[in-house]
Amino acid sequence: DAMVIQNPRYQVTQFGKPVTLSCSQTLNHNVMYWYQQKSSQAPKLLFHYYDKDFNNEADTPDNFQSRRPNTSFCFLDIRSPGLGDAAMYLCATSRESPGLAFYEQYFGPGTRLTVT
Amino acid sequence: AQKVTQAQTEISVVEKEDVTLDCVYETRDTTYYLFWYKQPPSGELVFLIRRNSFDEQNEISGRYSWNFQKSTSSFNFTITASQVVDSAVYFCALSKGDSNYQLIWGAGTKLIIKP
Repeated sequence: DAMVIQNPRYQVTQFGKPVTLSCSQTLNHNVMYWYQQKSSQAPKLLFHYYDKDFNNEADTPDNFQSRRPNTSFCFLDIRSPGLGDAAMYLCATSRESPGLAFYEQYFGPGTRLTVT
Repeated sequence: AQKVTQAQTEISVVEKEDVTLDCVYETRDTTYYLFWYKQPPSGELVFLIRRNSFDEQNEISGRYSWNFQKSTSSFNFTITASQVVDSAVYFCALSKGDSNYQLIWGAGTKLIIKP
């Protein structure tokens, strides 16, 4: 029944070693998001895909990249993780249409990233 | 500027007590949406409710109820007869006016239900 799936749930990487987090969805939603969340703070949007269009937040570091090869999958690549990148990474999806109602986002269980 | 304020950082109550989580928002948009999400210790954010600015009716879903008042720019959340499983961080969020997809998040309220 899982609708938004994230793998792995826990990821340990070394300082500077590239890491990829994955997200898949069965909702057929056209928008997918990546959030970073630290220490029970509110989630911070990194970027999102509206269909195939990539939208980066202005303050998202260049160290973070994303790929969306198809509707169902989206990846978060951290090219050179630093200690400050240790966080929970949340993937979310929503259905959106320009000018229409603003719909809720559905979140995956998250991937907790540890950087050693 | 748009803003969501959850003034209660942490609330602790004994099981079966009623508890209200406050959410106050600021926006100049005439059309906007408000949301509540629950984040249990497992980490997954769970969608609870979505309300648009034209619908001021209160909502009840089991032990959960929401009171939306535009006059005071508030969208408060009440849990009746709280249970230990209600322990979580609860976030209130507001649709960002110039986008169809971004949310303005409150800081969250940590709710602790003691047995």
